[in-house]
Amino acid sequence: SQTIHQWPATLVQPVGSPLSLECTVEGTSNPNLYWYRQAAGRGLQLLFYSVGIGQISSEVPQNLSASRPQDRQFILSSKKLLLSDSGFYLCAWSVSLAGTDTQYFGPGTRLTVL
Amino acid sequence: AQSVAQPEDQVNVAEGNPLTVKCTYSVSGNPYLFWYVQYPNRGLQFLLKYITGDNLVKGSYGFEAEFNKSQTSFHLKKPSALVSDSALYFCAVRPLNSGNTPLVFGKGTRLSVIA
Repeated sequence: SQTIHQWPATLVQPVGSPLSLECTVEGTSNPNLYWYRQAAGRGLQLLFYSVGIGQISSEVPQNLSASRPQDRQFILSSKKLLLSDSGFYLCAWSVSLAGTDTQYFGPGTRLTVL
Repeated sequence: AQSVAQPEDQVNVAEGNPLTVKCTYSVSGNPYLFWYVQYPNRGLQFLLKYITGDNLVKGSYGFEAEFNKSQTSFHLKKPSALVSDSALYFCAVRPLNSGNTPLVFGKGTRLSVIA
């Protein structure tokens, strides 16, 4: 069966510090991968998605970036965090089935920027 | 562009009563529709999806949803609510033949089931 891991689970960082969040998927090959941010326990904001190694689509211009160095690894980064980067970061995966694929979510990382 | 509307920020229901969480969508052509649930400080969990066929879709934990093409709706329902159903619910859509594009999510509806 497939599983998705995110770490760390929680993170407290000062403004201006760098960020690296990691997401890995097990039990599947060539998944589509997604990064979302959720602020204040409400709506989801799609940040990045990737359909293959080195292929990243950015949905929102900001100080975050994403990379996919391996097939089942997706990394979210920032060089300098802002207060507004605080939130709950969710990684998700799917396997393309002509549009019918379900996205499955990881447990999330709670980021607090002080 | 496709979109999803969840018109209620909050739904309150008494335990044992039926519950409905509303969702309407706007896409070009036919949609694929999804419901997810999120418990506090957790990731989203998939409940059910409509792809084609029977308009009534049954999913996890006793939930079901009815696809209504004329009303462009996909409301989530459960005959008898449990306190443990209290959570944040998201509706999502993807247009037919849209390939690998990500799901478009609604803003979420917070369900509170009162004992």
